[in-house]
Amino acid sequence: AIQMTQSPSSLSASVGDRVTITCRASQAIGYDLGWYQQKPGKAPKLLIYATSSLQSGVPSRFSGGGSGTDFTLTISSLQAEDFATYFCLQHYNHPYIFGQGTNLEIK
Amino acid sequence: QVLLQQWGAGLLKPSETLSLTCAVYGGSFSGYYWSWVRQTPGKGLEWIGEINHIGSTNFNPSLKSRATISVDTFKKQFSLKLTSVTAADTAVYFCARAGGSILFDYWGQGVEVTVSS
Repeated sequence: AIQMTQSPSSLSASVGDRVTITCRASQAIGYDLGWYQQKPGKAPKLLIYATSSLQSGVPSRFSGGGSGTDFTLTISSLQAEDFATYFCLQHYNHPYIFGQGTNLEIK
Repeated sequence: QVLLQQWGAGLLKPSETLSLTCAVYGGSFSGYYWSWVRQTPGKGLEWIGEINHIGSTNFNPSLKSRATISVDTFKKQFSLKLTSVTAADTAVYFCARAGGSILFDYWGQGVEVTVSS
């Protein structure tokens, strides 16, 4: 199975900061990667699909990039509601694999 | 608007069978794959498997064939059974929708399942 390495595992930042989270796949996965946000006690929420496409209703401060094995999620200017846990997901092949998550905390 | 609502037993004993169902309200049922995903503090999010409206399935080999997923297209429901559960299967279980390049745009609310003697 493809392995997904997500970094950092935790991140402290302030409102207004620009932050970037990365996921590295153990083999090339094309553009078959999504990013999700999860808040405590809730289901994950899709933010980005196909590496860089913004899901409907998601603020434009979220953006995704990359290809092949290296991918990024960038939040251009953190808002209070962005403090949450973020996951990547590869769906290039089965089994689909999630990254281990990045816990984004308020500094 | 699409809504996924899931239910099932939340407390099991070791060796029992986990059984969960997810109902889909709104939107099309065909043309998508319908997945089960679980989450534990230790292992994070784990994809279990998926089914489409005609019953084609894919599974995560990590479940070692203990998982089965079935579909009732008329009721717009799909179900997960996981046999021979152990404490390692204690998790929050989610159902979710996948279509083309857009995976898991809609999720159920999650059901917490605890396996304990």
